[in-house]
Amino acid sequence: GAVVSQHPSWVICKSGTSVKIECRSLDFQATTMFWYRQFPKQSLMLMATSNEGSKATYEQGVEKDKFLINHASLTLSTLTVTSAHPEDSSFYICSARIIVTSYEQYFGPGTRLTVT
Amino acid sequence: AQKITQTQPGMFVQEKEAVTLDCTYDTSDQSYGLFWYKQPSSGEMIFLIYQGSYDEQNATEGRYSLNFQKARKSANLVISASQLGDSAMYFCAMRDLGGDSSYKLIFGSGTRLLVRP
Repeated sequence: GAVVSQHPSWVICKSGTSVKIECRSLDFQATTMFWYRQFPKQSLMLMATSNEGSKATYEQGVEKDKFLINHASLTLSTLTVTSAHPEDSSFYICSARIIVTSYEQYFGPGTRLTVT
Repeated sequence: AQKITQTQPGMFVQEKEAVTLDCTYDTSDQSYGLFWYKQPSSGEMIFLIYQGSYDEQNATEGRYSLNFQKARKSANLVISASQLGDSAMYFCAMRDLGGDSSYKLIFGSGTRLLVRP
């Protein structure tokens, strides 16, 4: 149980285009989903916290107009990287928190984005 | 602000031996939680073990144990009987009670473990 999927697992896009990444909780409902970014050989950095039905809370330094997050249902959150640039190339990981537990997060397998 | 520190960028261990990965933390909260995750080259984050600040006993999960020393603010991960499949990045993390009660995680910089045959 507690499986989180991400789609796509990897994507290559051209500079200036937008790309959408989906995060789904497959067998549970998640009130909260988190989006992380991980550059090569670095740690995970939280980008934003996404609560179902409300606006995402972005961490300091993360451009909310560039990284659009939508959490339309209890099982789906999307991250859209708008007007992507090569410096946006990174590994994006989502995680989901189960309603009834206070702290457990379940991570998706990640999406590797390469902007050319 | 909460902070997690992992001072070992890389570690080697011989197969079948035990290894300790260091983690220290800083927080002013009385109630907090500490996690260890494993990240193999595939990139997925694998939950290993959790320790709550009020837990009196050190957490254990199979070959993983957490050496929790509250006064020293350390939460070291001990892996016993290392296996080749243990080669990966290991992250220590702390639960941060955000302003919106979102319980976000703050991660350390990670330790890359390489198990030698």
